[in-house]
Amino acid sequence: GENVEQHPSTLSVQEGDSAVIKCTYSDSASNYFPWYKQELGKRPQLIIDIRSNVGEKKDQRIAVTLNKTAKHFSLHITETQPEDSAVYFCAAMNYGGSQGNLIFGKGTKLSVKP
Amino acid sequence: NAGVTQTPKFRILKIGQSMTLQCAQDMNHNYMYWYRQDPGMGLKLIYYSVGAGITDKGEVPNGYNVSRSTTEDFPLRLELAAPSQTSVYFCASRSSSSGGANEQFFGPGTRLTVL
Repeated sequence: GENVEQHPSTLSVQEGDSAVIKCTYSDSASNYFPWYKQELGKRPQLIIDIRSNVGEKKDQRIAVTLNKTAKHFSLHITETQPEDSAVYFCAAMNYGGSQGNLIFGKGTKLSVKP
Repeated sequence: NAGVTQTPKFRILKIGQSMTLQCAQDMNHNYMYWYRQDPGMGLKLIYYSVGAGITDKGEVPNGYNVSRSTTEDFPLRLELAAPSQTSVYFCASRSSSSGGANEQFFGPGTRLTVL
C-alpha cells in the first residue's frame, strides 16, 4: 500500500523567510496530493492540493510542486507570518481507485518567529 | 451547511466502559472516515465507508466498530475502552464525484480520555 514520508518533523523560520516541507510517496498510482494545516486544538483544513497532471500550483503565498518521476511533492510558503505557525500534513491518494483513502504523512510543526 | 459535525467534544471514560462517538454530515457525501490522532502524531485511519450500508477497516480498527445506516451518519463505537484509546478522534467526509472537488472535510474532533 501507499506510504508517505514527510520531512522535516519540525521547522523554525524567521518571519518573512520562506519555508519548504517535503513529502515522498511510494505508490505510483497516487494522483491526488493535498496539504492540510492544523492549528493547535483545531481540525485539519485543506490549504492547497494538486493533481498528478499538474506540476505546480500556486495560491498567493503558498505553492505546491509535484515531481511524479521522483514521487515527491513539496509545500512552499513565502513571506511567512506568525499565523502560519501550525502543523502541516501532506497526503496522497489514488483518486478513483478502489478505496480512495488519503494516506497522511506524520506532519511538520512550523514555527514562525516574529 | 453545517458541514461535518461531531459529538461529544470531550469525554472521559473509565476502563471497560463503552461509548459511541457521533458524526454527521449534511453535504450528501458518500465517503466518510474515522481517524484518530495521538498527541504530536499524524492521522491514522480507523474505519471508512463508501456509502450507506458499506464499511471497511482502516489501519487501526481493533477495539472499534462502525455502522452506516444512512448517508448522513457514521457513528464510531468503542467497546471496552482501554487507556490506549485515549486520543482525539476526527470524522471526515468527501464527495465521490469524479468531476468534483477531492477535498476531504474534517469535523471538529472528539477528545477522549480513558482512565
